[in-house]
Amino acid sequence: GDSVTQMEGPVTLSEEAFLTINCTYTATGYPSLFWYVQYPGEGLQLLLKATKADDKGSNKGFEATYRKETTSFHLEKGSVQVSDSAVYFCALSDREPGNQFYFGTGTSLTVIP
Amino acid sequence: KAGVTQTPRYLIKTRGQQVTLSCSPISGHRSVSWYQQTPGQGLQFLFEYFSETQRNKGNFPGRFSGRQFSNSRSEMNVSTLELGDSALYLCASSHHSRGSQETQYFGPGTRLLVL
Repeated sequence: GDSVTQMEGPVTLSEEAFLTINCTYTATGYPSLFWYVQYPGEGLQLLLKATKADDKGSNKGFEATYRKETTSFHLEKGSVQVSDSAVYFCALSDREPGNQFYFGTGTSLTVIP
Repeated sequence: KAGVTQTPRYLIKTRGQQVTLSCSPISGHRSVSWYQQTPGQGLQFLFEYFSETQRNKGNFPGRFSGRQFSNSRSEMNVSTLELGDSALYLCASSHHSRGSQETQYFGPGTRLLVL
């Protein structure tokens, strides 16, 4: 069945450091891939997405490229800020049936000044 | 456009009771999904509704049920509450029937504590 595996946390970085959070997936079809972010006490917010191989999703300085050959969708940011501290979830949505999403376990990021 | 709203935001119940949570999707969205989030299990899919029909179901016992109304609003019900049901329950909506390509937009969640 479909699944998502993402890097275990927690991750602690200094401000302006480079961020990578690894995500790999297993899917039977041709999924869309997503990164969501969850701030304390809130629901999940869409960060970026990619719908087909080699697509790059980007938002707020974050990027991720859909790599079909390595079944990966790693999240990167060149220079993190304290405000990026949150939990990040990788997810996939396969075409059928319906609109079911599969989420990774989440990676907690703390950025220290 | 208003986002996904969930009520109530916080709830305290005791074992054996039942609870109903409500979700109002973004206007025009017809698909509503429910998730349970706990520190130990992460995000687990409960079920998805589209046009008042349950289209997908996760691996939860029959104590967990849901429904969707003609205006796309959805409710989920948990009967005979157990301590392990304490969690953040998240609702997400999306626009169309197609599975892929459709972003899910999440509400702030209902935090349920079972004592």
